[in-house]
Amino acid sequence: GAGVSQSPSNKVTEKGKDVELRCDPISGHTALYWYRQRLGQGLEFLIYFQGNSAPDKSGLPSDRFSAERTGESVSTLTIQRTQQEDSAVYLCASSRVSYEQYFGPGTRLTVT
Amino acid sequence: AQRVTQPEKLLSVFKGAPVELKCNYSYSGSPELFWYVQYSRQRLQLLLRHISRESIKGFTADLNKGETSFHLKKPFAQEEDSAMYYCALIRDGGNYQLIWGAGTKLIIKP
Repeated sequence: GAGVSQSPSNKVTEKGKDVELRCDPISGHTALYWYRQRLGQGLEFLIYFQGNSAPDKSGLPSDRFSAERTGESVSTLTIQRTQQEDSAVYLCASSRVSYEQYFGPGTRLTVT
Repeated sequence: AQRVTQPEKLLSVFKGAPVELKCNYSYSGSPELFWYVQYSRQRLQLLLRHISRESIKGFTADLNKGETSFHLKKPFAQEEDSAMYYCALIRDGGNYQLIWGAGTKLIIKP
């Protein structure tokens, strides 16, 4: 079956512009996670959705970052007024209510 | 506080040599620990879980509660083992959020 997909795969934007990243989780996966991976660094948790519960936004680095999820399907991560330090690979993962997270290929964001 | 520490950012060994990727954790309860791997140009994926006690691709990891460690080991490294390895711990609260280590890049030299 299809895995987690993310779009776009690459995004180059100018500083100050808004960007929207999309994640399509595996069908039936109730949990969805967004992570950021800066060059040479580990995974940085951003936000977590679980079913209809309120999302855990504790990892969002500033109020320029927001995310939405419609039910148990698509999620979008929005970064407003992008800064150069936002340049990173943004990873999405989904899971059933279990320990194994299935990752997407990531979106590489470059802010110039 | 719950924390996962991978002290080595980079580990380089020769093919055929033993490999040990270190992972230490800080956790107040009974931990559940995992190793994830990311091969070049591939997605991050689960390698193994301590509860299952299995060997995957020749790798094993034993949970040592006394030393609060979950080191990943392989007796004879292969070139295809070159990858980024992440140790992770399930967070309290039962919602299956993972706490991640910073990762170790493993390079197997021919």
